Amino acid sequence: KQEVTQIPAALSVPEGENLVLNCSFTDSAIYNLQWFRQDPGKGLTSLLLIQSSQREQTSGRLNASLDKSSGRSTLYIAASQPGDSATYLCAVLSSGSARQLTFGSGTQLTVLP
Amino acid sequence: DAGVIQSPRHEVTEMGQEVTLRCKPISGHDYLFWYRQTMMRGLELLIYFNNNVPIDDSGMPEDRFSAKMPNASFSTLKIQPSEPRDSAVYFCASSLVPSTDTQYFGPGTRLTVL
Repeated sequence: KQEVTQIPAALSVPEGENLVLNCSFTDSAIYNLQWFRQDPGKGLTSLLLIQSSQREQTSGRLNASLDKSSGRSTLYIAASQPGDSATYLCAVLSSGSARQLTFGSGTQLTVLP
Repeated sequence: DAGVIQSPRHEVTEMGQEVTLRCKPISGHDYLFWYRQTMMRGLELLIYFNNNVPIDDSGMPEDRFSAKMPNASFSTLKIQPSEPRDSAVYFCASSLVPSTDTQYFGPGTRLTVL
C-alpha cells in the first residue's frame, strides 16, 4: 500500500526566503506526482503535476522535482511571499490502482511579513 | 467553467439523520471522486466514478455511506444514518484522464454531526 510522508509538518519563514518542502513515497510504481495548495476552509488547488517520466516541473516561483527511484519529491518556492501561506499537499497516483491519489498529511507554511 | 460545485457548503445535523451531499463536476470531465478530510486521517478517497459508473468504492467506510451518479453532471453522497464520527470535510473532485491530468477540487462540504 502506497504511503506518502511530508516533512516538515509546519514551517515558518520570513518573507523573501527560498524554501524547500519534502515529500517521500514508498512505492515507486506511479503514474505521476502532484503538489496541491490548500487555503484554510477551501478546497485544493493544483500547483504542479510531474509525470513519472519527468524529473521536474516549473511554474513561476515554484519548482517541483521528482526522483522516482528513491521515492522523493521536493517543492521549491523562491522568494516566498505572505500570500504563499497555506498548506501544501503532495499526492501520488499509483499505477497499481490507476486512478487513486494517495495524499501526504501536508506541510503548513507560514510566510511572515 | 465555474469549476466543481458542491452543496451545501456547511451542514449541521443530529445523529441518526440522513445527510445528502451534492456535486456538479466540470463539464466534460469523465472522472468524479469523493474524498473525506479529517485532522486524524487526512484526505481519503471514498469512491470514484468513470462515465457515471462506480469503479472503486473500497474507501467507503461502511454501509451507511452510498454514492450515486445518475448523469454526467450530478453526483450525490448520502450518509444514513449519520454518526458524530462522520464529521469531516467532504470534497468532490473531477478530472479528465487521471494518469495525465490533475484533479479539480470543489470547495468542500463541512459536515458536523451532533
